[in-house]
Amino acid sequence: AQSVAQPEDQVNVAEGNPLTVKCTYSVSGNPYLFWYVQYPNRGLQFLLKYITGDNLVKGSYGFEAEFNKSQTSFHLKKPSALVSDSALYFCAVRDTRGGANNLFFGTGTRLTVIP
Amino acid sequence: NAGVTQTPKFQVLKTGQSMTLQCAQDMNHNSMYWYRQDPGMGLRLIYYSASEGTTDKGEVPNGYNVSRLNKREFSLRLESAAPSQTSVYFCASSEGPRREGYTFGSGTRLTVV
Repeated sequence: AQSVAQPEDQVNVAEGNPLTVKCTYSVSGNPYLFWYVQYPNRGLQFLLKYITGDNLVKGSYGFEAEFNKSQTSFHLKKPSALVSDSALYFCAVRDTRGGANNLFFGTGTRLTVIP
Repeated sequence: NAGVTQTPKFQVLKTGQSMTLQCAQDMNHNSMYWYRQDPGMGLRLIYYSASEGTTDKGEVPNGYNVSRLNKREFSLRLESAAPSQTSVYFCASSEGPRREGYTFGSGTRLTVV
């Protein structure tokens, strides 16, 4: 069965510091992994994905994520946090059961960047 | 380009009332989805439609029905609302299997009293 875990409900980081939002996954077969961001009262927005290829994936707004197969992790990172990065972040894995492109989401991590 | 449009944005229902949440996409996507978002539980899939003419149950389908009216529209119906269905509902679409991620609507905040 497909699943993702986001072990931290809340992450606080000072503006200008590097940030990491953690995600681990469990899949049968090759993982298709995604990060989404949700700003208040908005829908989710796609940040980046890993399908195959380089383990370091670059996405929108300066975010990147590192795929680590041995640790089954897909942590989201940014070298220098901005106050505007404060939002709810979701990791997701593609559900390979059936014929649809279903995504299974983690419970979310709220990132707060402190000025 | 509107993307995914959901209506209404807010709704309050009494227990036992029925309502339909509407969703339309203008990106010619094949697949559409309904999720609910609850605090501490992330997003859970209610129903999905892999292509026009097909619908399937997701993780939490009980108490809901869906209709894929055409390629653009995918509605979610609550036949007899219950307080446990108080949630934020998101519609999403994608090109189909093995494609990019989803495009989400802005959500419907539903309260059942």
